[in-house]
Amino acid sequence: NAGVTQTPKFQVLKTGQSMTLQCAQDMNHEYMSWYRQDPGMGLRLIHYSVGAGITDQGEVPNGYNVSRSTTEDFPLRLLSAAPSQTSVYFCASTATSGGYNEQFFGPGTRLTVL
Amino acid sequence: DQQVKQNSPSLSVQEGRISILNCDYTNSMFDYFLWYKKYPAEGPTFLISISSIKDKNEDGRFTVFLNKSAKHLSLHIVPSQPGDSAVYFCAASEGTGGFKTIFGAGTRLFVKA
Repeated sequence: NAGVTQTPKFQVLKTGQSMTLQCAQDMNHEYMSWYRQDPGMGLRLIHYSVGAGITDQGEVPNGYNVSRSTTEDFPLRLLSAAPSQTSVYFCASTATSGGYNEQFFGPGTRLTVL
Repeated sequence: DQQVKQNSPSLSVQEGRISILNCDYTNSMFDYFLWYKKYPAEGPTFLISISSIKDKNEDGRFTVFLNKSAKHLSLHIVPSQPGDSAVYFCAASEGTGGFKTIFGAGTRLFVKA
C-alpha cells in the first residue's frame, strides 16, 4: 500500500512551458485535492475532486487544469507556466465514507519556473 | 482574506514543557477542525481533529481545544519532545469528507533539548 504518490519530485520549467504533475492513490479514496505551499501562505487549495468525472475549483485555480478519469489518478496541468507558480505542490486524498475524515498527503513536487 | 489564521510564525519551547499553538477562524460554517504536522521535504500528516459539537479532544500528549464563540482553537502538546519540532498547520472544513479544507499559514515549533 503506497498511499499517495506524486511525480516528479522536482521540476524546473521555463516561462510559458506546460507540464503535468502526476498524483495517484491506492486507497480507493473518492476525494482528492491539490494544494500549493508558499512561504507565509500555508497550504492553498487549487482544485479538488469528489469522485471520478467530478472536479471543482478551490481558492487559487487560475493557471491550472485538472481531470479525474479514474478513482486512482488526479493529474494537475499547468497550461503556460509563470514564475508565480514556483511553489511546492501537494496532492491529498481522503475517504468520504464514515463522516469526517483526515486527508492523506503525498510527498510533494517542488516546481521552479524561471 | 484568510479564513484560517495562525498568527505566530514560530514558537520555541524547552523539552518537557507545554507547547501551545493557536489558530483563529472567521467562517462560522466551519464544523470540523484538524491539525497537521509537517517535517521538511515531506507531506503534511494528520495529527488530531475536533468536531464543532465538542470543545476538547485528547490523544496522548496532544489535546485540541475549541472555543466556538471566540472562533478559536488551540493545540497543546505536553510534554514537548525534540521530535515534535516541525511546522504545524491548523485546518478547517465544512461538512464531511474534508471537502474544501482551508489551511492556516502554519507555526514552526522548535523544541530545545
